[in-house]
Amino acid sequence: AQSVTQPDIHITVSEGASLELRCNYSYGATPYLFWYVQSPGQGLQLLLKYFSGDTLVQGIKGFEAEFKRSQSSFNLRKPSVHWSDAAEYFCAVGHNNAGNMLTFGGGTRLMVKP
Amino acid sequence: DSGVTQTPKHLITATGQRVTLRCSPRSGDLSVYWYQQSLDQGLQFLIQYYNGEERAKGNILERFSAQQFPDLHSELNLSSLELGDSALYFCASSVPPGTEAFFGQGTRLTVV
Repeated sequence: AQSVTQPDIHITVSEGASLELRCNYSYGATPYLFWYVQSPGQGLQLLLKYFSGDTLVQGIKGFEAEFKRSQSSFNLRKPSVHWSDAAEYFCAVGHNNAGNMLTFGGGTRLMVKP
Repeated sequence: DSGVTQTPKHLITATGQRVTLRCSPRSGDLSVYWYQQSLDQGLQFLIQYYNGEERAKGNILERFSAQQFPDLHSELNLSSLELGDSALYFCASSVPPGTEAFFGQGTRLTVV
């Protein structure tokens, strides 16, 4: 069965530092991969997606992610974190044979130190 | 603003009761998805409708049901509510296949 693992439940970084959030997936076919962000009391906002093609994808708010098939990973990165990036981040795999239903990881809560 | 509208934003009800959550998808999106977010289970897919027909089912309890109407809005009905049903319920919509889903702000259900 498909699954998504986000190994880090909490991460704290200093403002201006670089960020990498890890995501590993298990899926039998070529996956559709997504990163979403959830601010407190808010819904889920799509940061970026990978369907095919270039394995390095750019998203909104300066985020990027790299799909590595050999490692079954889709890690999210940002070169310089801003205080407003503090939120919970979810990696998800989409089941393209089942109309795009998503399986989510457990989430990583990012805290930003001033 | 994702364009997906969910009402109500908050709902408090007693155990044993029945509630209906409503979702209006983005204009033009034919697919609607329902997800439940709880502290112990995380974000879980419940059910998907496409143009009025049920397309996929996830971990949805028998006490829960959904439908999608001809105008494409959807309702999630939760009955015989238990304390453990307290959660944030999200609706999302997309134009399948192979495109991203856009999420609403969610309905926070509290069962007391």
